[in-house]
Amino acid sequence: AIQMTQSPSSLSASVGDRVTITCRASQDIKNALAWFQQKPGKAPKLLMFAASTLHSGVPSRFSGSRSGTDFTLTIASLQPEDFATYYCLQDYSFPRTFGPGTKLDIK
Amino acid sequence: EVRLVESGGGLVQPGGSLRLACAASEFTFSSYWMSWVRQAPGKGLEWVGSIKEDGSDKYFVDSVKGRFTISRDNAKNSLYLHMDSLTAEDTAVYFCAVSDYPGRWFSWGQGTLVTVSS
Repeated sequence: AIQMTQSPSSLSASVGDRVTITCRASQDIKNALAWFQQKPGKAPKLLMFAASTLHSGVPSRFSGSRSGTDFTLTIASLQPEDFATYYCLQDYSFPRTFGPGTKLDIK
Repeated sequence: EVRLVESGGGLVQPGGSLRLACAASEFTFSSYWMSWVRQAPGKGLEWVGSIKEDGSDKYFVDSVKGRFTISRDNAKNSLYLHMDSLTAEDTAVYFCAVSDYPGRWFSWGQGTLVTVSS
């Protein structure tokens, strides 16, 4: 199975900060990576798919990129509603695997 | 607006069985892969399994193989997860989700809690 690692596991930041979260796949998954945001007690919400395609309705301050097996989610200028936990998901092969998550909280 | 609503969760004893359902609406259910994802209390997301549009292909995480079955009824716009031989490690909120290529998991249900305890 493809393993997904994610860093950092937690991150404290302030409104207006630029933050970057990274996921690394244990093998080549092409661009088959999605990013999700989850708030406590809620279902995950899709932010990005195919590594860098912004899902409909997601603010443009979110962006994604890929370099080999490393994938990055960047939030250009943090807003209060962005404090949440972020997960990546490889959608390349079965079993699908999620990263362990990055909890983003207010500094 | 795409809508997914899970039901069927609850308290079950170890070794017991439970069937979850996911009712879909406002999209062409029969045209999409469907999946179950779970989240144990205070933990991350875990993919459980997925089923192809016509039900001909199904995939599961190793920890549930032989115990869980996924099925769908395209005429009723419904997805199911039948769970047998449940253990405490299966305690989680179970979400259903719809996806298309390339990996656009565009809608999730609100989740249903399964608690396995004596």
